[in-house]
Order: sequence, then structure tokens, then C-alpha cells
Amino acid sequence: GDSVTQMEGPVTLSEEAFLTINCTYTATGYPSLFWYVQYPGEGLQLLLKATKADDKGSNKGFEATYRKETTSFHLEKGSVQVSDSAVYFCALGGRDDKIIFGKGTRLHILP
Amino acid sequence: AAGVIQSPRHLIKEKRETATLKCYPIPRHDTVYWYQQGPGQDPQFLISFYEKMQSDKGSIPDRFSAQQFSDYHSELNMSSLELGDSALYFCASSSERGLAGGRRYEQYFGPGTRLTVT
Repeated sequence: GDSVTQMEGPVTLSEEAFLTINCTYTATGYPSLFWYVQYPGEGLQLLLKATKADDKGSNKGFEATYRKETTSFHLEKGSVQVSDSAVYFCALGGRDDKIIFGKGTRLHILP
Repeated sequence: AAGVIQSPRHLIKEKRETATLKCYPIPRHDTVYWYQQGPGQDPQFLISFYEKMQSDKGSIPDRFSAQQFSDYHSELNMSSLELGDSALYFCASSSERGLAGGRRYEQYFGPGTRLTVT
């Protein structure tokens, strides 16, 4: 079945460092891909999305490109801030409209 | 812009009690999804409704039931609560059904209801 695999955390970086969180997927057909962010004690927020191959989703300095050839959707940011500390979920729009999430990656940014 | 509303935001119940969680989708959204997120876990799909009919079912226990009403709001009913039911329950809504062979939809998530079973 459809699935998402993302790098395990926690990931700890210093402020202004470069961030990459790897995500790969397994799916039939052409799923939509998403990154969701969950700040401490809060709900899920859609960070960015891509609906077809080679699409680049971007928001708040974060970017991810839908790579069909490598079945990947890695999240990147050039310069992280303390306020980016959160849990990040890679996800795909799977069969029958449900969203399938990865296990989440906790990100800690040190000042 | 209006978002998905969930109520209550927090709920504390004892074992074997019942709980009802409510979800009000974004206006004109016809599809509602329920997800359960255990402590430190990723959200897991429970059930979804499209135009008041159940459209898909995931890992939802038989003790749970849900429905979507004529105004498109949805309720998740949970009976004989167990300690393991303690979780954050998300509702999401969308306005586009996935078509066979293509998925071009976006689900908007509510803030969640945190259920604690003691």
C-alpha cells in the first residue's frame, strides 16, 4: 500500500543553519505530496504542497520539489529560525482521498 | 477566512464513558475526514464522509461511530472509552473529491480535540 518514510528525529540545528528533512514515498498513480507542520500544543498546518512531478512547493522560506524519478519530496530551508522548532510531517494524498502521514521529524533550533 | 472548527478543544473522560467530538467543516466543503494522533505518533486516518455518506474507513475501532449531518458537520461518537483512546483527534474538510486516477485535492485541518481518558 501507499506509504511515506521520512528521516527520524530529533534534528537539532543552530539558528541560520541549512535544513534538509528527507522524505520518500511509495504510491500507485500520481499522489499529491504535502508537508505539514505541528507547533508545540497545536494542530496540523499545511506548510506546502505539490500536485505533480517537478512541482516545487514553497512557503515561509521552506521548499520541496516533487521528484517522481526518486519518489522523494525533501524539505529544505536555507536559514532556520528558533521559531521553526516544531514537528514536520511529510504526507501524501493516497487512495480514496485519505492522507497518509510519515512518522514526523521533530526539529529543534538552538539560538 | 473561515477554518475547520472542532469542539470541544479539550475533553477529559473516565474509562468506559462515552464521548462525542464535533467537527464543522469550512463552508461549502462536502467531505469530512477524521484522524487520530496518539502521543508522539503520526496521525492515522479513521473515517471519512462525502455528502453525508461514509466514503472510506480506516483503523477505526468498532466502539467508535461517526456520521455527517445535512449541514455537513460531523460527529465522532466514542463509547466504552479506554486509556489507549487518549489522543488528539483531528477533523479535516475538503471540497474536491479525488477522481479515479487523479488526486487533486487539499484537506484543511481543524485544531483538534485533545481527549484524555483517565
